[in-house]
Amino acid sequence: NAGVTQTPKFRILKIGQSMTLQCTQDMNHNYMYWYRQDPGMGLKLIYYSVGAGITDKGEVPNGYNVSRSTTEDFPLRLELAAPSQTSVYFCASSSMGTSTDTQYFGPGTRLTVL
Amino acid sequence: GQQVMQIPQYQHVQEGEDFTTYCNSSTTLSNIQWYKQRPGGHPVFLIQLVKSGEVKKQKRLTFQFGEAKKNSSLHITATQTTDVGTYFCAGRGGGADGLTFGKGTHLIIQP
Repeated sequence: NAGVTQTPKFRILKIGQSMTLQCTQDMNHNYMYWYRQDPGMGLKLIYYSVGAGITDKGEVPNGYNVSRSTTEDFPLRLELAAPSQTSVYFCASSSMGTSTDTQYFGPGTRLTVL
Repeated sequence: GQQVMQIPQYQHVQEGEDFTTYCNSSTTLSNIQWYKQRPGGHPVFLIQLVKSGEVKKQKRLTFQFGEAKKNSSLHITATQTTDVGTYFCAGRGGGADGLTFGKGTHLIIQP
């Protein structure tokens, strides 16, 4: 199993550009999450999904959109990139309902908006 | 909403010294998890605590969950250079949403 994979690893955007961060998991997890981590800081939840077709806002959803058409994929969309969105983005998945709902993180996408 | 506070933000220790990070929640937690993030890496799950007063050990790491299920600690005995990184606690409340992460404690070890 590859676990959680994210693409791209790095990206530089100009202000106003848009992009989609891809996230795929092959563990058949029902829960998936998107976090952002600013330099030296903790993780802030952007959006999460409890299953295909269901998404919900986290702590910092403004400027982002998500979709969950399949169990495996949970892409994050930035429509109008702003410098405040410069961050490292982590996707994670977990299998809620088990005794240990560990979150498995992808390697991250490092995004710079200039 | 639920808040999880973690202290200290940074901790410098000499190799071989002990290290402790503390986590406090504004609400009672159903469970608490600890993660480690190496510099430039991604968070990796260490352990989950569920029961009030629970204590778990992993080699030199000792994890505790408070009696009121609102606080937790991670203690590392005799730190090694491989322990360098940021340690996050993450608490889950009673709802179905994601974990609330603390801001992490950055452990810096001087040889």
